[in-house]
Amino acid sequence: DVKVTQSSRYLVKRTGEKVFLECVQDMDHENMFWYRQDPGLGLRLIYFSYDVKMKEKGDIPEGYSVSREKKERFSLILESASTNQTSMYLCASSLWGMGYEQYFGPGTRLTVT
Amino acid sequence: AQSVTQLDSQVPVFEEAPVELRCNYSSSVSVYLFWYVQYPNQGLQLLLKYLSGSTLVKGINGFEAEFNKSQTSFHLRKPSVHISDTAEYFCAVRSTQGGSEKLVFGKGTKLTVNP
Repeated sequence: DVKVTQSSRYLVKRTGEKVFLECVQDMDHENMFWYRQDPGLGLRLIYFSYDVKMKEKGDIPEGYSVSREKKERFSLILESASTNQTSMYLCASSLWGMGYEQYFGPGTRLTVT
Repeated sequence: AQSVTQLDSQVPVFEEAPVELRCNYSSSVSVYLFWYVQYPNQGLQLLLKYLSGSTLVKGINGFEAEFNKSQTSFHLRKPSVHISDTAEYFCAVRSTQGGSEKLVFGKGTKLTVNP
């Protein structure tokens, strides 16, 4: 079974803090993704990576950065957290190829106060 | 760019009733379509996918979807729902904009099954 784990289920941070969200997958997947999920807006892609040290911006990259130093790990960084970044963050991974589905982690609910 | 529209944000039904969750996508030469389910406080998991071949796709938990190219739709159906089907359902289409593979998700449909 593919397993995608996220470092925290719930996180509370203060405005201006630097925040790290970690994601690890154990199935040797090439692609990894970070999404943000907000009520009524569905899932929006923040960043994705198709290889180690490679990254591409998604639809809403502003205020975020990412790091992928190892194939199995993909980190999302909020350089200076703001209250409008309070949200559910979902990580996913997939094999490279058109028909491969994405496997999701359980999510991190981040609250910025 | 590819896009997906889920026509209903909320669908309430009674237990054992049939249900259809509607999804329309923007047209493309080749389309890969997915339905995911998210149970409360969990991540998303794949229900079913259409890549090619038969237009009727069967998934887990008794769900099925029909790919209709002429109507650019991929509606999800279940003939008889259970309380445990209460969840949010997302339709998604594979996008290859810029040569990179991504999924574009709809905004979700919350299915509530009442006793």
